[in-house]
Amino acid sequence: NAGVTQTPKFRILKIGQSMTLQCAQDMNHNYMYWYRQDPGMGLKLIYYSVGAGITDKGEVPNGYNVSRSTTEDFPLRLELAAPSQTSVYFCASRDRVSGNTIYFGEGSWLTVV
Amino acid sequence: AQKVTQAQTEISVVEKEDVTLDCVYETRDTTYYLFWYKQPPSGELVFLIRRNSFDEQNEISGRYSWNFQKSTSSFNFTITASQVVDSAVYFCALTPNTGNQFYFGTGTSLTVIP
Repeated sequence: NAGVTQTPKFRILKIGQSMTLQCAQDMNHNYMYWYRQDPGMGLKLIYYSVGAGITDKGEVPNGYNVSRSTTEDFPLRLELAAPSQTSVYFCASRDRVSGNTIYFGEGSWLTVV
Repeated sequence: AQKVTQAQTEISVVEKEDVTLDCVYETRDTTYYLFWYKQPPSGELVFLIRRNSFDEQNEISGRYSWNFQKSTSSFNFTITASQVVDSAVYFCALTPNTGNQFYFGTGTSLTVIP
């Protein structure tokens, strides 16, 4: 059972670099989310998508971009990385049809130096 | 407005003690779902339980139990006979049936001391 798969698990970026965090789910969920979790803090919503071709901003979208070309994939792009983007990033998908449960990937630890 | 409040930031208990984690929510929706997630030191977020607003029955799963009370807008989580492996951050969450977003509390960090 793959569920929600995130890559990479760990990454160190230099200030100003760009990168894409990959997220894929195999549960045929329409809803997908990206959260960030700063050390010792709760979850903040970056972007979400309710289906292929549809994305919307969450609480903290600045410095990020997303796309949703397929139901399975929801990549998060960081442009011009800044130290403030050092965080753990969680991708999640939601079973909107049965129970509304949100399932998380294992997280991607990103450090910007 | 949708909001989840976990007033307890950190709790420490000695192994085998019982502990209750509080969760209070706010919503204007009549149909909504409540959740608890566990985040162990390894960092992943593990789904524990889901409750819909029409089901106020308490649930027990092994040493875990959940008390959902609409009258007080609370969804509390009790661990009986706590174990060291229960040490984690626990998040309560809410989603209205008509909405797209989840609303998470700030989490309660539980430390079980051997």
